[in-house]
Amino acid sequence: DSGVTQTPKHLITATGQRVTLRCSPRSGDLSVYWYQQSLDQGLQFLIQYYNGEERAKGNILERFSAQQFPDLHSELNLSSLELGDSALYFCASSGQGGDEKLFFGSGTQLSVL
Amino acid sequence: AQRVTQPEKLLSVFKGAPVELKCNYSYSGSPELFWYVQYSRQRLQLLLRHISRESIKGFTADLNKGETSFHLKKPFAQEEDSAMYYCALSGGQKVTFGIGTKLQVIP
Repeated sequence: DSGVTQTPKHLITATGQRVTLRCSPRSGDLSVYWYQQSLDQGLQFLIQYYNGEERAKGNILERFSAQQFPDLHSELNLSSLELGDSALYFCASSGQGGDEKLFFGSGTQLSVL
Repeated sequence: AQRVTQPEKLLSVFKGAPVELKCNYSYSGSPELFWYVQYSRQRLQLLLRHISRESIKGFTADLNKGETSFHLKKPFAQEEDSAMYYCALSGGQKVTFGIGTKLQVIP
C-alpha cells in the first residue's frame, strides 16, 4: 500500500456529464500529481499541485480542472464528458515538488457511455 | 520541453534471456530519471532511480547523457518480471512518463 488513496475505484457515467475524482496523498506529502492512462497514449501528465498551489500543467483539457485543498487532498473535475475521456486516472504524491519519487494511488477507472 | 520515448510497446523474451527496455529522453537541464513498474492488478511503483545506482530485482539502468538514454537491463528474465514498465523524467517540477513497454516473459 503506497498510502495514496483514490476514490471512487470505478465510475460509469454518460456523455455530457460531470464527475469528480478524489485523491488523498500520503501523510506529509505536499505534492499531488494527476495522470491519465489510456491504452494508446500511455501515462499522460495532467497537472501538479504543491501545497495548494498549481505548480505544473500538462496536457489537461479545458473541460478538466483540479484543485488541492488546505488538508492537501485533491480533486480532479471532469466536465462535458466525451467517450474519449474513458481512461484510468491516477493520482500520485511526493514529498517535494517534482524531485522525489512518486507514490501512486490505485486509480479511478472512468467509463463514459 | 521534456520528452520520454519508449520505442517498444511490447517486448517478448524467453525466460532466462537478457532483457533491455529502451528509454530515451529529451531535456535541456539536468534530469532525474526513474523506472516505474506496474504488475498485473497492482498500482504503479518505483523500480529504481538513476541517482541511487542500485540494482532492484536484478534490474539495473545507467544514465548515458551522451546518448540521452536510460535503458533498463536484466541479464536473465524471470516470469515474474512480466509487467508494464514506464520510464520517467523529473525536471522543471514536472514528471513526464514514457508511453510504457509491456514486458512479456515466455516460460
